[in-house]
Amino acid sequence: GQNIDQPTEMTATEGAIVQINCTYQTSGFNGLFWYQQHAGEAPTFLSYNVLDGLEEKGRFSSFLSRSKGYSYLLLKELQMKDSASYLCAVMDSNYQLIWGAGTKLIIKP
Amino acid sequence: GAVVSQHPSWVICKSGTSVKIECRSLDFQATTMFWYRQFPKQSLMLMATSNEGSKATYEQGVEKDKFLINHASLTLSTLTVTSAHPEDSSFYICSASSPASGYNEQFFGPGTRLTVL
Repeated sequence: GQNIDQPTEMTATEGAIVQINCTYQTSGFNGLFWYQQHAGEAPTFLSYNVLDGLEEKGRFSSFLSRSKGYSYLLLKELQMKDSASYLCAVMDSNYQLIWGAGTKLIIKP
Repeated sequence: GAVVSQHPSWVICKSGTSVKIECRSLDFQATTMFWYRQFPKQSLMLMATSNEGSKATYEQGVEKDKFLINHASLTLSTLTVTSAHPEDSSFYICSASSPASGYNEQFFGPGTRLTVL
């Protein structure tokens, strides 16, 4: 079966760095997405990785290792507004997104 | 670019009535639209995938006669929840993808919160 695993909840301090991990087992791979979702709102796109390595975009970076079925989202200089759920999703061989359950990130002052 | 709208943003209805939710791609042609449902504190659950001009493909466990999907144009898809019941109360989100998106990114609408009394 297809499976995406990510931690349910994480807590971090304002100004610090946090890494949210995601492991996956899917039938085929056409890229991995990270989305941010604030409570009561729709997801917003953060990043896309299809090749191994690190993609940096401002305070957010995303890493992919296809051989390990592993990705992480790195958030630097955390701000209170970063409190949200972070969803990992993998596009399988049918170009269908398989979603993780999301990681709720709580930022404390 | 790549804006998707949904209407209404929220709706409250009585049990047994039908509710229609519209999903529009405002500045691009969406060949494929997706309908998701999200219950509180849970992840997105794909309900169906619709391609313009053809019948929607429903995920296992989703009743196609209850959740009617129409994708009549490249910019509009509708989801109709027929004979809604309280257990249908949820956050419904649509997304659209475009062939112009190099990596099949899905652009999400803002969601519709449905409450069935």
